[in-house]
Amino acid sequence: QQKVQQSPESLSVPEGGMASFNCTSSDRNFQYFWWYRQHSGEGPKALMSIFSDGDKKEGRFTAHLNKASLHVSLHIRDSQPSDSALYFCAAPYQGGRALIFGTGTTVSVSP
Amino acid sequence: EAAVTQSPRNKVAVTGGKVTLSCNQTNNHNNMYWYRQDTGHGLRLIHYSYGAGSTEKGDIPDGYKASRPSQENFSLILELATPSQTSVYFCASGGGTGGYAEQFFGPGTRLTVL
Repeated sequence: QQKVQQSPESLSVPEGGMASFNCTSSDRNFQYFWWYRQHSGEGPKALMSIFSDGDKKEGRFTAHLNKASLHVSLHIRDSQPSDSALYFCAAPYQGGRALIFGTGTTVSVSP
Repeated sequence: EAAVTQSPRNKVAVTGGKVTLSCNQTNNHNNMYWYRQDTGHGLRLIHYSYGAGSTEKGDIPDGYKASRPSQENFSLILELATPSQTSVYFCASGGGTGGYAEQFFGPGTRLTVL
């Protein structure tokens, strides 16, 4: 059973629009989350981490965490074609030594 | 910028053959990881290591062995490759306390087992 679930599987957004997608954990031990982004043909790259309730903003990216509901979301403001990628949510597990990843959300930004 | 390299980048193997995937990092990170990526499954952890000489099992270790002979190198070994092991494999390194520190990924190895 996937402990970190992402939705939707894919979404399309026009250039300049807002892209929003979600991640939910089934394990109450998960209190710290990462967002990673993977462009086609490349390895994933970390975008940001979040561990406090509320919003964390980095440039055009805003992550929101609600620990009570084990829900974290990522919002991309003013989406650009270069934001087209696969986005993963991840959480520490194995006693904090490793990361467990969700199945990912594919974002397509059309010019 | 942290550097993780993988070799080979592409590999075609025969069923029952031995395959070794290599990973090198120049970040001086203690932690290294092997993942496989398949559509619908995201990234799944196969083995990881928190220092030279150590290896730990991840979620899907069956059919795989790992070796960490030095701080810089981490190998994934398929002793008897099967078609179900056809996938894209990623190596990553990370410092600090594992999952609470950023992981840096290599470019991936595409493995096809015929």
